[in-house]
Amino acid sequence: GQQVMQIPQYQHVQEGEDFTTYCNSSTTLSNIQWYKQRPGGHPVFLIQLVKSGEVKKQKRLTFQFGEAKKNSSLHITATQTTDVGTYFCAGPPGTYKYIFGTGTRLKVLA
Amino acid sequence: DAGITQSPRYKITETGRQVTLMCHQTWSHSYMFWYRQDLGHGLRLIYYSAAADITDKGEVPDGYVVSRSKTENFPLTLESATRSQTSVYFCASTRLAGGDTQYFGPGTRLTVL
Repeated sequence: GQQVMQIPQYQHVQEGEDFTTYCNSSTTLSNIQWYKQRPGGHPVFLIQLVKSGEVKKQKRLTFQFGEAKKNSSLHITATQTTDVGTYFCAGPPGTYKYIFGTGTRLKVLA
Repeated sequence: DAGITQSPRYKITETGRQVTLMCHQTWSHSYMFWYRQDLGHGLRLIYYSAAADITDKGEVPDGYVVSRSKTENFPLTLESATRSQTSVYFCASTRLAGGDTQYFGPGTRLTVL
């Protein structure tokens, strides 16, 4: 079956450092979504990418969708303690059911 | 705006018992989903539903049953709970198929002893 892997699994950074998480799918995705889950909370939608090669920015967050639509990345510039949480990518494999990545847990040290 | 709610928020049960987790959304979203979240596995889809009376299996459906008699409700039943079903369960809903924001409920933390 389809798999969506994320690396790294964990990342500890000093506040102010940059952070990147990568998402790789075994199959082509029609679109990809990113979610953030704070510790003890539920996943919250961040963004959706649809087009091959698409780049979107949200303040310090930059999202990219690969040319082959099988990979994506999330980059955070100058991390803050409020960025702490687990970041998930998710993609529908051609239907409306979503396959979530394994997640990257980010810790920011003040 | 109540959004999407889950009950109970915490549940402790024993092996072999039947447990039902409730999910209710106020947006009249057509699509609803049940996920379980375990350390090291991320979010895994258990069942999903495209509309009332239309449900289908996800990645890990064994041991679970769902129903959807009304658009706003999507209960998940563990017919005979096992320890491996100890997990955090999230319900989610979305308006459109395959390309819309999923809104998640607060989750139910289930412990099976």
